[in-house]
Amino acid sequence: DTGVSQNPRHKITKRGQNVTFRCDPISEHNRLYWYRQTLGQGPEFLTYFQNEAQLEKSRLLSDRFSAERPKGSFSTLEIQRTEQGDSAMYLCASSFGRERTQPQHFGDGTRLSIL
Amino acid sequence: AQSVTQLDSHVSVSEGTPVLLRCNYSSSYSPSLFWYVQHPNKGLQLLLKYTSAATLVKGINGFEAEFKKSETSFHLTKPSAHMSDAAEYFCVVSVSTGKLIFGQGTTLQVKP
Repeated sequence: DTGVSQNPRHKITKRGQNVTFRCDPISEHNRLYWYRQTLGQGPEFLTYFQNEAQLEKSRLLSDRFSAERPKGSFSTLEIQRTEQGDSAMYLCASSFGRERTQPQHFGDGTRLSIL
Repeated sequence: AQSVTQLDSHVSVSEGTPVLLRCNYSSSYSPSLFWYVQHPNKGLQLLLKYTSAATLVKGINGFEAEFKKSETSFHLTKPSAHMSDAAEYFCVVSVSTGKLIFGQGTTLQVKP
């Protein structure tokens, strides 16, 4: 069990640039979630995949955000035309099965800083 | 709608004394509840989960939590705090799609 891996760990970019983050879930996990955590707050749900299908998107996910999970393996989260308010920790989590009782396993996150 | 409320934003204890972190939940059906811990600049680690099998749930590192339906509470306890327990703790509820709803977090400070 290698755990959930996220890359990069840190990303610093100028406002208006595009950024892409990658998440590699635990290999047998069919569910993958993205969350955003701002300083001093709990994580907030962004989107969720079951295998390659994106089944739910939060209203927080504006049209500048897009996520993919091709082939049901790794996932990418892209932010276009970044804004100051996008500065946050982006967390990926994965779980196995169909039950909401299954715990999610988190990666260490990607910290995004917008200059 | 499902939600959790953590009643203390900051808790300070001395090493070797008991820890109590309080959480109330709101749910229209039998909830799935979790406690996660987050150390600085790290992801979240699962401490324990409640899924209706038993009201007293034991987790890792000596933590446990008791589900009380009558009080809609799911408080986290540990008999004796260790310096390494200093971290941010989140009470979490899982909704029907499996997505997690987090509380605001409680910062646990452990003094020597």
